[in-house]
Amino acid sequence: EPEVTQTPSHQVTQMGQEVILRCVPISNHLYFYWYRQILGQKVEFLVSFYNNEISEKSEIFDDQFSVERPDGSNFTLKIRSTKLEDSAMYFCASKGTGGSYEQYFGPGTRLTVT
Amino acid sequence: GNSVTQMEGPVTLSEEAFLTINCTYTATGYPSLFWYVQYPGEGLQLLLKATKADDKGSNKGFEATYRKETTSFHLEKGSVQVSDSAVYFCALLPRDTGRRALTFGSGTRLQVQP
Repeated sequence: EPEVTQTPSHQVTQMGQEVILRCVPISNHLYFYWYRQILGQKVEFLVSFYNNEISEKSEIFDDQFSVERPDGSNFTLKIRSTKLEDSAMYFCASKGTGGSYEQYFGPGTRLTVT
Repeated sequence: GNSVTQMEGPVTLSEEAFLTINCTYTATGYPSLFWYVQYPGEGLQLLLKATKADDKGSNKGFEATYRKETTSFHLEKGSVQVSDSAVYFCALLPRDTGRRALTFGSGTRLQVQP
């Protein structure tokens, strides 16, 4: 069964460093998403991506964040200068077309900023 | 704006007990409603969904009915198992706006004891 994969599973970084979180969506999906979940809190939407551009972003997704689909298979989230409050689980999701509602989630990357 | 409210956990039950996890929502128009489950160490998996009023979503013995009059989508299972221990998230997807991102509740942890 096709699935969304994410790497790394856990990333530890120092405050101020740049991190790139990687996702491989399901191959024939065209809509891509990043969500995050701060420990013990709800899952929050960050950004959606379609047709090689951002289609929507939340107020959390400020200038320190960016997304890219560099090679037609990977979908990346870059955080330019990490802050302590960026520590969270980051989930990638993808969705097909044709009226499908279901977003398929990856297992997540736990980001720890020290 | 859109929001989802879930009952706080953890919910601790004995095996074979009846489960209810309450979920209510606020949304513009008539959203689609979902329950996602997160098993320990894993990502979010779609458990069930309902796309219009009075629809009943069901999967793996879990059920939820879309109640427009009470804006609710409570999750139920007649007889829980230890393997059902997980965090359950209620979520909505707006229908009448351009936003295609999920709005999640805060999650309810279920612990089933043998």
